[in-house]
Amino acid sequence: AQSVTQPDIHITVSEGASLELRCNYSYGATPYLFWYVQSPGQGLQLLLKYFSGDTLVQGIKGFEAEFKRSQSSFNLRKPSVHWSDAAEYFCAVGNFGNEKLTFGTGTRLTIIP
Amino acid sequence: DAGVIQSPRHEVTEMGQEVTLRCKPISGHDYLFWYRQTMMRGLELLIYFNNNVPIDDSGMPEDRFSAKMPNASFSTLKIQPSEPRDSAVYFCASSISTYNEQFFGPGTRLTVL
Repeated sequence: AQSVTQPDIHITVSEGASLELRCNYSYGATPYLFWYVQSPGQGLQLLLKYFSGDTLVQGIKGFEAEFKRSQSSFNLRKPSVHWSDAAEYFCAVGNFGNEKLTFGTGTRLTIIP
Repeated sequence: DAGVIQSPRHEVTEMGQEVTLRCKPISGHDYLFWYRQTMMRGLELLIYFNNNVPIDDSGMPEDRFSAKMPNASFSTLKIQPSEPRDSAVYFCASSISTYNEQFFGPGTRLTVL
């Protein structure tokens, strides 16, 4: 069965600093991958997705993620965070032939001035 | 489009009562998903539909939970009888086709006393 691991439950970053959120997946076939963001009291919003092709994908709000097959990772990055980026971030994995997504447990991001 | 619409946004009920959560997917989307989010278990897929037909309900916790999709623009998730451990945020999501982004509603926060 496919699984997603987000090893960091909570990360605190200073405003303007760079950010990297980790995501590791476990699945035998080629996965397709997503990063979602959830603000307090809101639903999940898609940041970016990877299906195939260029392993570095760009998303909204200045986020990017890199798919590394050899490391089974899909880490999310942002060069300079803003206070409005404080939220919970979820990595999700699916596989071709199955419409279901498996979500990680999420990483809560706190931004300090 | 207004996005995925869920009602009610908040529901407080007493143990043993019937609870009905409602969802209106985005027009034209063929897939509808029901998720439950708790601190302990994260985001869990309960059931999903394709063209109004339930495809996989393996995530439904027990017989107290049931879901229907009588037409392309409406779905319900019912819990009867409700228990305190059902307290969670329930999300509905829809997507236009397989492997595409799932658009999430704002969720229904359910509290069972």
